[in-house]
Amino acid sequence: ETGVTQTPRHLVMGMTNKKSLKCEQHLGHNAMYWYKQSAKKPLELMFVYSLEERVENNSVPSRFSPECPNSSHLFLHLHTLQPEDSALYLCASSQDGTSGYNEQFFGPGTRLTVL
Amino acid sequence: GQSLEQPSEVTAVEGAIVQINCTYQTSGFYGLSWYQQHDGGAPTFLSYNALDGLEETGRFSSFLSRSDSYGYLLLQELQMKDSASYFCAVRDTNAGKSTFGDGTTLTVKP
Repeated sequence: ETGVTQTPRHLVMGMTNKKSLKCEQHLGHNAMYWYKQSAKKPLELMFVYSLEERVENNSVPSRFSPECPNSSHLFLHLHTLQPEDSALYLCASSQDGTSGYNEQFFGPGTRLTVL
Repeated sequence: GQSLEQPSEVTAVEGAIVQINCTYQTSGFYGLSWYQQHDGGAPTFLSYNALDGLEETGRFSSFLSRSDSYGYLLLQELQMKDSASYFCAVRDTNAGKSTFGDGTTLTVKP
């Protein structure tokens, strides 16, 4: 595997379900991100982890719970979601703390539908 | 707060040149980057400007004017495959985090 992978690619869940999204980066990066992208809308940054510590939480509802067990893996735990949470959830990684720009590498995303 | 403005839609014909502008107001500024996203795909990095001036990468060029809080992405010799959304993003800290604009949907017509 190379780059950033995400599983599952598609997920349909009911409002009472609990599910988790998984992201794995094979680039040796030290920062990982979760974004939400709704139809025809911009990327909304949800969480940032740098060196496995959460450094940003952009007022995301508590029904979204991130977990970063190590620098290569990032999870987004979902519970009691609402239909408006249906969106494409993108994971990204980058290398922080070095000079110059460290571009973000994105995974393919998980297309989530909440019924 | 952070705000970035870019046109929502641009249409051009194959072979033409198109410029997508981005103006920003951010509390900090380390650089402006551009990403391309095809429908149903993930964003991919195109370019980054930290200093004023033009950066050229093949058919794509990116320009920055820090004094004007303005930048643009220039796409030359447009091809059908260039039809996509283009996002500008400001790196506002000395970390990898960036704030993204709303995106510009480019449609290339034959």
